[in-house]
Amino acid sequence: AQKITQTQPGMFVQEKEAVTLDCTYDTSDQSYGLFWYKQPSSGEMIFLIYQGSYDEQNATEGRYSLNFQKARKSANLVISASQLGDSAMYFCAMREWGGSEKLVFGKGTKLTVNP
Amino acid sequence: DGGITQSPKYLFRKEGQNVTLSCEQNLNHDAMYWYRQDPGQGLRLIYYSQIVNDFQKGDIAEGYSVSREKKESFPLTVTSAQKNPTAFYLCASSADDSRAVNQPQHFGDGTRLSIL
Repeated sequence: AQKITQTQPGMFVQEKEAVTLDCTYDTSDQSYGLFWYKQPSSGEMIFLIYQGSYDEQNATEGRYSLNFQKARKSANLVISASQLGDSAMYFCAMREWGGSEKLVFGKGTKLTVNP
Repeated sequence: DGGITQSPKYLFRKEGQNVTLSCEQNLNHDAMYWYRQDPGQGLRLIYYSQIVNDFQKGDIAEGYSVSREKKESFPLTVTSAQKNPTAFYLCASSADDSRAVNQPQHFGDGTRLSIL
């Protein structure tokens, strides 16, 4: 079973507008972490934001925020005031506690910011 | 600056040849990882290492081998047994307590491997 599902293969947004990238996850663990990474066309993976399963508040990092709905097992990334440089692939990933060292990645969403 | 260095950026493999991808980090991280990325796909874990002289297979270890003789270095060898090696390979590392779920993995810039 797929542990991380990103249902939007591609998204388009106008510059300066906000955009939400969806991520749902599947785990039976109580302790886990959720990560979002950005991958520009050059290929490097850039860590954006982290949300812990026990965190009571949604994570925020500058223009990035995470809409964490634990009961629905969703961890959507919100990018406010989109910039042209935000055009990239975005990956949601999960890490479970209990000795597993794996980050399990979704298939990604390609975001295109239009001027 | 601290970071992860992967080399080469591009690599070409002939049939029957083993090739080695380099990964070096100066972040003083204990854990290191190798991922494979195919076009339009997420990352899949090949091997990981939590400590020097120890490593574990990931989801797609067949046809690959690694070593961890130094904390800073985690080279990946793509052997001739890997029949479809064309992909983008990413190395990552994370901080000391590898069981802490809040530790992000930091990535290198990747190596693109192609078959000649």
